[in-house]
Amino acid sequence: DAEITQSPRHKITETGRQVTLACHQTWNHNNMFWYRQDLGHGLRLIHYSYGVQDTNKGEVSDGYSVSRSNTEDLPLTLESAASSQTSVYFCASSERDPGELFFGEGSRLTVL
Amino acid sequence: GQNIDQPTEMTATEGAIVQINCTYQTSGFNGLFWYQQHAGEAPTFLSYNVLDGLEEKGRFSSFLSRSKGYSYLLLKELQMKDSASYLCAVRDSNYQLIWGAGTKLIIKP
Repeated sequence: DAEITQSPRHKITETGRQVTLACHQTWNHNNMFWYRQDLGHGLRLIHYSYGVQDTNKGEVSDGYSVSRSNTEDLPLTLESAASSQTSVYFCASSERDPGELFFGEGSRLTVL
Repeated sequence: GQNIDQPTEMTATEGAIVQINCTYQTSGFNGLFWYQQHAGEAPTFLSYNVLDGLEEKGRFSSFLSRSKGYSYLLLKELQMKDSASYLCAVRDSNYQLIWGAGTKLIIKP
């Protein structure tokens, strides 16, 4: 069965360290997204990609970067982790309609 | 600014019916989505409305009024497994999803 997986599922790091969260999907979807989810807020878009070599900034992109070298993967990098980036991160993909998303199980990141 | 409003929390009884409301103010409208999210899990797609009216899918129905900027999700014959958060999201003129903070639904026996 096609799926979307994230790793690590849980990560504790220190302020200033670089962190990369992996996202891998076997749906062969062109569209991939990274969101963060915090209490009291809706999902907030960090970065998204509509295909290989395509990346775009979302509403909360500062401090994050992505790259898309193939269809299956969209890793999210925190260049220098900050405590404000403690959150649950969800990767998602969609076939054509950007609205119907298939989400990964989430990565809980704690920055101390 | 863009805004999606949902009640923070609702409580209902097993076997009953509950309606979760969502009001929105966005720059443009290209569809409204409902997702279900169980605690500690990923959101999963429930429904999509782009035209006014009611869309029914089993025990779940979703209604949209574009002129009022309003939608609701109706859950019938509530089961304990329906305890979850329900997320409303609107696709704006840039085809980006704007998400509400979600409504936590608690089902009591």
